[in-house]
Amino acid sequence: AQTVTQSQPEMSVQEAETVTLSCTYDTSESDYYLFWYKQPPSRQMILVIRQEAYKQQNATENRFSVNFQKAAKSFSLKISDSQLGDAAMYFCAYRSEYSGGGADGLTFGKGTHLIIQP
Amino acid sequence: DGGITQSPKYLFRKEGQNVTLSCEQNLNHDAMYWYRQDPGQGLRLIYYSQIVNDFQKGDIAEGYSVSREKKESFPLTVTSAQKNPTAFYLCASSGDRYSNTEAFFGQGTRLTVV
Repeated sequence: AQTVTQSQPEMSVQEAETVTLSCTYDTSESDYYLFWYKQPPSRQMILVIRQEAYKQQNATENRFSVNFQKAAKSFSLKISDSQLGDAAMYFCAYRSEYSGGGADGLTFGKGTHLIIQP
Repeated sequence: DGGITQSPKYLFRKEGQNVTLSCEQNLNHDAMYWYRQDPGQGLRLIYYSQIVNDFQKGDIAEGYSVSREKKESFPLTVTSAQKNPTAFYLCASSGDRYSNTEAFFGQGTRLTVV
């Protein structure tokens, strides 16, 4: 079974600065997908970014980028120019490629609470 | 607009009662999921369904039941056998194995035992 570990229960950053959230995972598979989801106070889960394991290039979405280290099984999220609206819980998630195309669900970390200081 | 609708947003259950949480999607997704979220625990998979009339237990299925009679609907029943049902419940869906889509989530249901 796969596991996802987020070692930072809470992080704080000044507005406009850069912050990196850590995520490590354990798997014996070679093909999989990784995601970062954001959960603001409304509790709606919002996809931030996704990474396919077969791609060496790190995914980017505007101010959000990842550092994907497949050999180290590490998948960190970097948020540049932090904004007040970035304040939320951030969850790292893993999806297997093998189990019916991942249709048996995502495995989540326990989350990191990101605080933005004005 | 396409999306996932969960209802109700808040639900109160008395001890010994069964309650059913609704989840409907109009995204034409084959796969649907139920997750439970507790403080400090992340999201844990309760049940999932890859196709109509078929579903599988997730990591914490005890005390829960589901049905998948229609592609659009995947209701979750929290039975009296679930000893600690107070939690936030999230429903999600994703495309089939060939589309490699991420999971899309509903807005959640907060269940409280009174």
